Amino acid sequence: SAVISQKPSRDICQRGTSLTIQCQVDSQVTMMFWYRQQPGQSLTLIATANQGSEATYESGFVIDKFPISRPNLTFSTLTVSNMSPEDSSIYLCSVGRDVYNEQFFGPGTRLTVL
Amino acid sequence: GQQVMQIPQYQHVQEGEDFTTYCNSSTTLSNIQWYKQRPGGHPVFLIQLVKSGEVKKQKRLTFQFGEAKKNSSLHITATQTTDVGTYFCAGQGDSWGKLQFGAGTQVVVTP
Repeated sequence: SAVISQKPSRDICQRGTSLTIQCQVDSQVTMMFWYRQQPGQSLTLIATANQGSEATYESGFVIDKFPISRPNLTFSTLTVSNMSPEDSSIYLCSVGRDVYNEQFFGPGTRLTVL
Repeated sequence: GQQVMQIPQYQHVQEGEDFTTYCNSSTTLSNIQWYKQRPGGHPVFLIQLVKSGEVKKQKRLTFQFGEAKKNSSLHITATQTTDVGTYFCAGQGDSWGKLQFGAGTQVVVTP
């Protein structure tokens, strides 16, 4: 398994602002994903972060709202842009050896938008 | 779109009792995975099932994958307080690579 860290662990933000969440892995990984989890709810995949190319977004998520970077095989960022209270959620990054294997999750970033 | 349904949503269990959570997909899955999320924590991988009819055990946890590869179950025997948390199944289809999570079963254990 991989050791994954996320920064920040939590934040309270004003509407209209943007927050960038960082995900760092202690070893090179092929797959990196970003999820959103509302309190008490299941996980929803936002996008797959691709190294050296644009992220692959799921239905309902767009690059202008959730720009993602992945400059190398150990690091990725997710930005939540022009935030509204509806963006309040826990954002999780996960990593995997390939798309059909188990995923390991970071500790998450708890975001509250006022 | 593809969906993975999971029941029950909540499970209150007396310590020492057994319980089962079920997962169903409308389409054939290439594999199914199970995760556990403790309160305030992040999902932790438990197991992956790939073969039709596969059964895997981890101590008191028994995981099954249906013959048609459309359903799965997690059975916990002699529940302990350490079993508290939400158990998610997550399936992948042959034609869709993303992991589709079920709604989760929140387990509360009464001593």
